[in-house]
Amino acid sequence: ETGVTQTPRHLVMGMTNKKSLKCEQHLGHNAMYWYKQSAKKPLELMFVYNFKEQTENNSVPSRFSPECPNSSHLFLHLHTLQPEDSALYLCASSQEFRASSNTEAFFGQGTRLTVV
Amino acid sequence: GQNIDQPTEMTATEGAIVQINCTYQTSGFNGLFWYQQHAGEAPTFLSYNVLDGLEEKGRFSSFLSRSKGYSYLLLKELQMKDSASYLCAVFPSGGSYIPTFGRGTSLIVHP
Repeated sequence: ETGVTQTPRHLVMGMTNKKSLKCEQHLGHNAMYWYKQSAKKPLELMFVYNFKEQTENNSVPSRFSPECPNSSHLFLHLHTLQPEDSALYLCASSQEFRASSNTEAFFGQGTRLTVV
Repeated sequence: GQNIDQPTEMTATEGAIVQINCTYQTSGFNGLFWYQQHAGEAPTFLSYNVLDGLEEKGRFSSFLSRSKGYSYLLLKELQMKDSASYLCAVFPSGGSYIPTFGRGTSLIVHP
């Protein structure tokens, strides 16, 4: 248990569905992240939120829409996804946002998403 | 562009020492992380290097040479539970704080 909880753990959705992934951290961290981990590919940062404000969008398609209502919660809203979007989506948090010894990220267990 | 290279897979014997290398070419450098990820689980933090040299933490050590764009993770007294994927990640300098991850090295420890 890393202090970062993601739900659901598994999700199967059709290309016309709308779904949301949820992440919650109880570590008092200020920064939260969404990562995508596809088979045979490197872990890829999607979005960064620092004190609830989005500070990075790594050229992510608009069918992925993040939301950060407070420093403890992060959502990823999914709409009209493609089969190639099937992957493990990991949420993470860290004390600080910029690279330093305090930027170690604590990851959730991830949501295994399958788009059919 | 950003590029990080790690070996895809390594095998080692329980009780032995293994060194996992990571080379990088990035637009500037602002720190390098190593993470461990067991199959089906979340990555967990192992080490952070920003200055040249060796950082030791129990059975694990991490080394950095910024001039060579090179790091390694050294695992001593290998245990079966060390079988996992080891991810190298580099933070670039400048305005972007988006880290670049390597593909990970799958380490298999056998008896």
